[in-house]
This record gives sequence, C-alpha cells and structure tokens, in this order.
Amino acid sequence: DTEVTQTPKHLVMGMTNKKSLKCEQHMGHRAMYWYKQKAKKPPELMFVYSYEKLSINESVPSRFSPECPNSSLLNLHLHALQPEDSALYLCASSQDPGAGQPQHFGDGTRLSIL
Amino acid sequence: GNSVTQMEGPVTLSEEAFLTINCTYTATGYPSLFWYVQYPGEGLQLLLKATKADDKGSNKGFEATYRKETTSFHLEKGSVQVSDSAVYFCALCDLRGYNKLIFGAGTRLAVHP
Repeated sequence: DTEVTQTPKHLVMGMTNKKSLKCEQHMGHRAMYWYKQKAKKPPELMFVYSYEKLSINESVPSRFSPECPNSSLLNLHLHALQPEDSALYLCASSQDPGAGQPQHFGDGTRLSIL
Repeated sequence: GNSVTQMEGPVTLSEEAFLTINCTYTATGYPSLFWYVQYPGEGLQLLLKATKADDKGSNKGFEATYRKETTSFHLEKGSVQVSDSAVYFCALCDLRGYNKLIFGAGTRLAVHP
C-alpha cells in the first residue's frame, strides 16, 4: 500500500480534451513532485512544489498546468496534449524540501492520448 | 553536474542466487543515496537509503553501502526470490534543489524458479 494516492489509475483522452490528474498525501510532507515516465526509462521530473509554491518547472510545455490547492493535494491539469505525452505520470512527496529526505511515490496514472 | 550510472540489464538469475547491481555516482558534496524498486504496473518504492559515507542501508534482505572513496552504492542480496523481479533504480538527492532526484537508467531483474 502506498501513502501517496493518485487518481485516476488510467486515463484515455483525445487531443482536444481537458482533464486533470490528482494526487493526495496525508503524511504532512511539504514538498510534492510530478514526474513523467516513459516505458523502460527512469522518471523525468516535471514540477516541484515546496510549501505549496511552485519551486521548479523543468521547462514543461504549457499544456501541462500544475496546481497545489493545499499542503495535501496536487493536481496536474491537461489540455491539448499530444500523442507523445502518453506515459505514466507519477506523483511523489517528501517531508522537507531541502534536507536530503527520500521521496515517496504514488502508483501513477497511466495516460493514453488518442 | 550530478549523475548516476547503473549497470545495464536485464539481469537474469535463478532463485536463491546472489545479486549485485552496480551503481556509481558523480556529485558535488555529499548527497543522500537511494535505491528504488518498481514492480510491474506500480510506482517506485523506496527500497533503502544512506545519507553519509560508510552508511549501510538495508531492507528486505537487500543492502548497499555508501562508498565515498569509490563513489559507489552497489545493491546486493544474498538469495533472490522470484518476487524480487522488478526494475531497480539507483538515485542521488541533490541537496541544492528541493530534494531533486537524479536517477540511473534502471536495471531490470528477472528471477526464474
């Protein structure tokens, strides 16, 4: 069982759709992360939120829009995605943004773009 | 810059064999080091960690020692099981960047009965 919960587990959408991915943790962690993982590759960092503020954007296209409504929730809003955006999207959290703490991952949302 | 290099897989072993997955790193300072495991269809699970030189992380029979002199963090297990079949990622934590993780390429392990 994972302490980081992601919904939905699977998502199929067209290139003109708008959808959102959700991530929730109740461990009191103050840093949250979005990753994209393609098959047989390590996760690639997309965004980092520290104390509910966007701290890192790894030059992600604007069709991906992150949001952190509160310290427990993290959303990723999707709009006008491309087929190459099909991947596993992972959320993670860590206790303290700057102390070398490990990240705890959810099971991910597997996204398919038609 | 910081980087992690892992041995390429796949690694195929028989049950009860000894496992070593090599990991070396390049980093400024003394980063924390981690091994994560990813089972099919799942996210990454933290397997073990080490935060300073000579630390030994251990969990579920797996061990890795933080070797500063050789900049290595090799993963070992004395007797693997079929249930250990997964992808293993070595990672370092960039202390300057919000615990940003730098991952190795991953090593796929397949254990046969």
